[in-house]
Amino acid sequence: DARVTQTPRDKVTEMGQEVTMRCQPILGHNTVFWYRQTMKQGLELLAYFRNRAPLDDSGMPKDRFSAEMPDATLATLKIQPSEPRDSAVYFCASGLSPKGIYGYTFGSGTRLTVV
Amino acid sequence: KQEVTQIPAALSVPEGENLVLNCSFTDSAIYNLQWFRQDPGKGLTSLLLIQSSQREQTSGRLNASLDKSSGRSTLYIAASQPGDSATYLCAVRIQGAQKLVFGQGTRLTINP
Repeated sequence: DARVTQTPRDKVTEMGQEVTMRCQPILGHNTVFWYRQTMKQGLELLAYFRNRAPLDDSGMPKDRFSAEMPDATLATLKIQPSEPRDSAVYFCASGLSPKGIYGYTFGSGTRLTVV
Repeated sequence: KQEVTQIPAALSVPEGENLVLNCSFTDSAIYNLQWFRQDPGKGLTSLLLIQSSQREQTSGRLNASLDKSSGRSTLYIAASQPGDSATYLCAVRIQGAQKLVFGQGTRLTINP
């Protein structure tokens, strides 16, 4: 089965440090999403790309978060500087749009803990 | 703004029962609706996808229905098993957009 691969699986870092999360979408998928999941807020959309172009990053704190797609096989989410409130599970998902008839596939997530 | 609500937040039933999970959404202008399963500490596994033009989808013991006009979807699980214990999330894709809007999920426990 094709899958979305996220690295690292777990990350513990100190407040103020830079964190980079990576995602390899399914080959051929043209839409990539970054979601954040917390107990309090549930799943929140941070940003998404279509054909590597950012379409919506309104869910991201702009002063510290940045999302990029250097190429079609890699999406990155960076936090600099990290804060304890950033502790959450970050999910990447990919799919095909505008068709989207197959839905979206999620990766296993990166569990981030900022201490 | 699209809002997705799932009721109940948690459900505990004995093994073997048939059960229904509910999902409601405020804006009927959706492209499709997707049901996911999430095990503790794991990612999201897609269970069923229903396009806006469809009324239901089935996969094994799972059946999902969609009533777009009333803003509702249900996930029916037949003959529940302890292995079905997980959190079930529904998500709608807004028409004209690519993003999914998620409900808060229903945490399901099947007791042996």
